[in-house]
Amino acid sequence: GAGVSQSPRYKVAKRGQDVALRCDPISGHVSLFWYQQALGQGPEFLTYFQNEAQLDKSGLPSDRFFAERPEGSVSTLKIQRTQQEDSAVYLCASSLRAADHFDEQFFGPGTRLTVL
Amino acid sequence: QKEVEQDPGPLSVPEGAIVSLNCTYSNSAFQYFMWYRQYSRKGPELLMYTYSSGNKEDGRFTAQVDKSSKYISLFIRDSQPSDSATYLCAMSTDRGSTLGRLYFGRGTQLTVWP
Repeated sequence: GAGVSQSPRYKVAKRGQDVALRCDPISGHVSLFWYQQALGQGPEFLTYFQNEAQLDKSGLPSDRFFAERPEGSVSTLKIQRTQQEDSAVYLCASSLRAADHFDEQFFGPGTRLTVL
Repeated sequence: QKEVEQDPGPLSVPEGAIVSLNCTYSNSAFQYFMWYRQYSRKGPELLMYTYSSGNKEDGRFTAQVDKSSKYISLFIRDSQPSDSATYLCAMSTDRGSTLGRLYFGRGTQLTVWP
């Protein structure tokens, strides 16, 4: 079956531009996570959705970052007024059940964002 | 100081060698301990996970958790060139507001040469 897909795979933005990154989780998965992975680092948590509810957004680095999952499936991570420090790979992961059950998180291939 | 520390390597070993990877952590609330493998330009994929302390074996891979020392390890026996990747340790709690959130180490880059 299909795994987690993300688009675009690569995005180049000029500083100050807004970008939108899309995640298509595995069908039927309740939980959806966004992580940011800087070069040479491990992924860092950004935000968590249980269906359409954003239950944890404590990892979002600034109010320029916004995420949504309006129908409980596809999610979009939006970054406004991009800065060079936003350059990273943005990973999306989904898991079958709500986070109060331990489940494997399946990761997408990521979107590599480069801000010039 | 990060909650999860991992030596980034790189680590280079010949085919057939035993590989030892490890992480230390500071948050005593961590209860799930995972090892992910990440190939270049790909997302991480779960290799193994352990709940609380103990050992777990899966084929050539063995995961160990020592909660008293806040230290986890992954051993790879009979390493193969296809094992060449970045190995990430990850941890999570089993309760509280951070449920589901994974805390990763920075990853160890492993190369197994033929």
